[in-house]
Amino acid sequence: KQEVTQIPAALSVPEGENLVLNCSFTDSAIYNLQWFRQDPGKGLTSLLLIQSSQREQTSGRLNASLDKSSGRSTLYIAASQPGDSATYLCAVSGNTPLVFGKGTRLSVIA
Amino acid sequence: NAGVTQTPKFQVLKTGQSMTLQCAQDMNHNSMYWYRQDPGMGLRLIYYSASEGTTDKGEVPNGYNVSRLNKREFSLRLESAAPSQTSVYFCASSELIATDTQYFGPGTRLTVL
Repeated sequence: KQEVTQIPAALSVPEGENLVLNCSFTDSAIYNLQWFRQDPGKGLTSLLLIQSSQREQTSGRLNASLDKSSGRSTLYIAASQPGDSATYLCAVSGNTPLVFGKGTRLSVIA
Repeated sequence: NAGVTQTPKFQVLKTGQSMTLQCAQDMNHNSMYWYRQDPGMGLRLIYYSASEGTTDKGEVPNGYNVSRLNKREFSLRLESAAPSQTSVYFCASSELIATDTQYFGPGTRLTVL
C-alpha cells in the first residue's frame, strides 16, 4: 500500500527566505506526483504536476523535483512571501488515484 | 467557467439521518472523485469514477454510496449518518484518471451530532 510522508509537519520562516518542503513515498511505481496548496477553510489548488518520466517542474518561484527511484520529491520556494503561508500537500498516483501526504503547514513571517 | 462546485457548503445532521452531497464540474472531465479530510489523517479517497457509468471504491468507502449521474455530476450519499462521518468532504475531477491534474471543489463541512 502506498504511503506518503511529508516533513516537516510545520515550518515558520521569515519573509525572503528560500525554503524546501520534503515528500517521500514508499512505492516507486507511480504515474506522477502532484503538489497542492490549501488555504484555511478552502479547497486544494494544484501547483505542479511531475510525470514519472520527468525530473523537475517549475512555475514562477516554485520548483519541484522528483527522484522516483529513491521515492522522494522536494518543493523549493524561492524568496518566500507572507502570501505563501498555507498548507502544502504532495500526492502520488499509481495503481490507485491520488494518495496524499498529511501536508506541511507553512507560515511566512513579515 | 465555475470549475468544480459542491453543495451544500455546510450541513449539520443527527445520527441516523441521510443526505446527499452534490458535485458538478464544467470542464468536460472524464474522472471524478470524493475525498474526506480529517485532522491528523489527511485526505482519503472515498470513491471515484474513472468515466461515466463506472464507480470504484477508494480507501474508506464504508457508510457511503455514490452515483455518477452523468458526465458532469457525481453525488455522495450517506444513508445513515454517524458521528465518525463528521468531516470536510471534497469533490475533484480530472481529464483522465491517475495521469492528470485534479481540480478540487471548495468542500462541504459536515457535522453529525
